[in-house]
Amino acid sequence: DAGITQSPRHKVTETGTPVTLRCHQTENHRYMYWYRQDPGHGLRLIHYSYGVKDTDKGEVSDGYSVSRSKTEDFLLTLESATSSQTSVYFCAISEDDIGQGEQFFGPGTRLTVL
Amino acid sequence: GENVEQHPSTLSVQEGDSAVIKCTYSDSASNYFPWYKQELGKRPQLIIDIRSNVGEKKDQRIAVTLNKTAKHFSLHITETQPEDSAVYFCAASAGGGADGLTFGKGTHLIIQP
Repeated sequence: DAGITQSPRHKVTETGTPVTLRCHQTENHRYMYWYRQDPGHGLRLIHYSYGVKDTDKGEVSDGYSVSRSKTEDFLLTLESATSSQTSVYFCAISEDDIGQGEQFFGPGTRLTVL
Repeated sequence: GENVEQHPSTLSVQEGDSAVIKCTYSDSASNYFPWYKQELGKRPQLIIDIRSNVGEKKDQRIAVTLNKTAKHFSLHITETQPEDSAVYFCAASAGGGADGLTFGKGTHLIIQP
């Protein structure tokens, strides 16, 4: 597997609390992504980053913010967690050199919001 | 935005038979189409991908075909084995993958012994 780690791997929190998930890569890839996976929905893009301090919204960005202050780290923050944000969150990375584009996924974080 | 439809949602085949999973996409600008395999409790793993300048690609027992005119692409697995049992996802991207992937909802492939 590509050098991608996610922390924490599991988290239980309460509605209304802030939560930050971390994605860390050792591949020096330019692109990083956050997806959520829910039964019946497949994987859906939340936010992505195309460089340090460069981020953009995905399909389901409401209620989430991201930051990337270093190439290797991409943080996903739920400002005020809701039960609808209970999900498995996957980080992905891509080198995306011309002609590339393959995305490699981290191990995932299972988040439960009570 | 892009919309990807995937069928069937569940596919059960006898070991040794072939399996075909089909996807359609809506954005004619899409140019990158990967397929991922996800085993229970694990991360999605890329198994094969195809770009819009190619009609077919093979890798041992798996192949992917792309019909740009009809905006659909398919995954073919031949000589299925028990370890092929998993959930398979198709995806599409208009930016070669750089701006993120739009996934289908997945196909649960069951290989019957």
